[in-house]
Amino acid sequence: AQSVTQLGSHVSVSEGALVLLRCNYSSSVPPYLFWYVQYPNQGLQLLLKYTTGATLVKGINGFEAEFKKSETSFHLTKPSAHMSDAAEYFCAVMGGKLIFGTGTRLQVFP
Amino acid sequence: EAGVAQSPRYKIIEKRQSVAFWCNPISGHATLYWYQQILGQGPKLLIQFQNNGVVDDSQLPKDRFSAERLKGVDSTLKIQPAKLEDSAVYLCASSLDQGSPLHFGNGTRLTVT
Repeated sequence: AQSVTQLGSHVSVSEGALVLLRCNYSSSVPPYLFWYVQYPNQGLQLLLKYTTGATLVKGINGFEAEFKKSETSFHLTKPSAHMSDAAEYFCAVMGGKLIFGTGTRLQVFP
Repeated sequence: EAGVAQSPRYKIIEKRQSVAFWCNPISGHATLYWYQQILGQGPKLLIQFQNNGVVDDSQLPKDRFSAERLKGVDSTLKIQPAKLEDSAVYLCASSLDQGSPLHFGNGTRLTVT
């Protein structure tokens, strides 16, 4: 069975600082991994995905994530936070179905 | 392309009443999903359709929840009777096929009082 664990339900950074949102997965088969972002009162929007191939995946809005099999991790990063990045971020793993983590709320302070 | 459409956006009902949500997926998307997102939690899959057939409904509380996807396009999710713990956002999503990225609608926020 697949599962994901997101470490830290809340992360706060200053504008311009590095963003690091942590995700660890559990999967009995090679995983497909995703990061989604959810703005208030909206649905989820795909940020990036890893299926096969290059382990460093670039997504929209300057975000990227690195698949590390040895650490079973798929952490999301952005070099410089912007106020508009404030949102809820969900890591997800695809097995037969898409299974989400509990989410990390990112706050960005000026 | 037009996104996934859901209605209504908000619904307030009393417990034991019934409610229905509607979803229109992106044109051409064969797979349709209904997720329940309780406040502070990640979305949980309730039911997955491939065209008009059910692929996975293992987490659908079938004593009170039902869903259908007539003609393999639009879908409705019904709750009857509603309980307080059904208060959540109900998200519809669609994808080209199983394994493709999901595209989500804006959800229906249900409050059961």
